[in-house]
Amino acid sequence: GQNIDQPTEMTATEGAIVQINCTYQTSGFNGLFWYQQHAGEAPTFLSYNVLDGLEEKGRFSSFLSRSKGYSYLLLKELQMKDSASYLCASLDSNYQLIWGAGTKLIIKP
Amino acid sequence: GAVVSQHPSWVICKSGTSVKIECRSLDFQATTMFWYRQFPKQSLMLMATSNEGSKATYEQGVEKDKFLINHASLTLSTLTVTSAHPEDSSFYICSARLQGAGDLYEQYFGPGTRLTVT
Repeated sequence: GQNIDQPTEMTATEGAIVQINCTYQTSGFNGLFWYQQHAGEAPTFLSYNVLDGLEEKGRFSSFLSRSKGYSYLLLKELQMKDSASYLCASLDSNYQLIWGAGTKLIIKP
Repeated sequence: GAVVSQHPSWVICKSGTSVKIECRSLDFQATTMFWYRQFPKQSLMLMATSNEGSKATYEQGVEKDKFLINHASLTLSTLTVTSAHPEDSSFYICSARLQGAGDLYEQYFGPGTRLTVT
């Protein structure tokens, strides 16, 4: 079966660093996406990884290990506006996105 | 670039009536559009995949006669919720995939439509 696992909720402090993990099992694999979704809004694209390794984009970085079926999203210098849900999604062999349930990130002052 | 719009942003309708939601790709052509539904505190649930000029492919458990999808052009797909009931109240989001192989199959999302059925 196809399965994406990520923590339901995480809490972090403003200015700190947080890592959101995602493990996936999908039929075929064509890449791993991370999206950010604020409450009541549609998701917005953050990153895409298809090769092993770390992709850095400003305060956000995303890592992929294909052999382990594992990815993480790393957020640095956290700001209050980073409070949102972070969705992990795997692109399967049919190029369909298989979505995780999302991780709600709460940032405290 | 790669902007997707949805209309309306929110709608309230009475039980038994039908509601049409439009999804438009504003600055690109989208051969494939997706319709999602999201209930509070839950993740996105794919309802159907819509390909321009052909019938939509519905996910298991989604009634195709209740959720009518039309993808008449490369920039417009519509979702019609027929005979809506309160349990259809949800956040409906469309996304569009850029045509071509070099787009990493990234989906661009519309802002969503909040449907409330009374």
